[in-house]
Amino acid sequence: IAGITQAPTSQILAAGRRMTLRCTQDMRHNAMYWYRQDLGLGLRLIHYSNTAGTTGKGEVPDGYSVSRANTDDFPLTLASAVPSQTSVYFCASSEGLNQPQHFGDGTRLSIL
Amino acid sequence: DQQVKQNSPSLSVQEGRISILNCDYTNSMFDYFLWYKKYPAEGPTFLISISSIKDKNEDGRFTVFLNKSAKHLSLHIVPSQPGDSAVYFCAASEGNSGYSTLTFGKGTMLLVSP
Repeated sequence: IAGITQAPTSQILAAGRRMTLRCTQDMRHNAMYWYRQDLGLGLRLIHYSNTAGTTGKGEVPDGYSVSRANTDDFPLTLASAVPSQTSVYFCASSEGLNQPQHFGDGTRLSIL
Repeated sequence: DQQVKQNSPSLSVQEGRISILNCDYTNSMFDYFLWYKKYPAEGPTFLISISSIKDKNEDGRFTVFLNKSAKHLSLHIVPSQPGDSAVYFCAASEGNSGYSTLTFGKGTMLLVSP
């Protein structure tokens, strides 16, 4: 089934450790996004990429980095995890401008 | 400052009745609006969208209304079903920005009881 695959589905991580959340899409969408969802705050954009080779900062980019080496993959890296990064992370993709974004099922990350 | 606001954290409706979920926005540059539904432990699922050139869009039981002068949109679900119980997110984007990042509201939890 075509869509977005996120890995891992959940992870417990010690503070200070490095972690990469993986995201792969098979829809050949140009644009990809990373969001975090926190209770009472909805979904907030961390980083996005309009097309392979380009990335941009969203609303809450600090502490996170992304890369877009090809169309299908958009990994999110926490260089040195902190407890405030405990959240559910969603990856999404869209075909283009003003097209609906399709979401993966999320990665639940707990930083201790 | 929150640009997309869903002021009702929750809504309870009986099966068969109408559910109305509301959303307000402050950014006058927003020109594309979407509603997403989210079940626990799943990603948000696209439900319906509307462009600012329209004031209504309908898809089966779901209708979205847009009032640009009031910067307000609403999602109507008729008739409501227990399977509609989920968190509903309103989202908006600026089409002229050159990319389609979405700004989300905080969500409204809808509970449809039998």
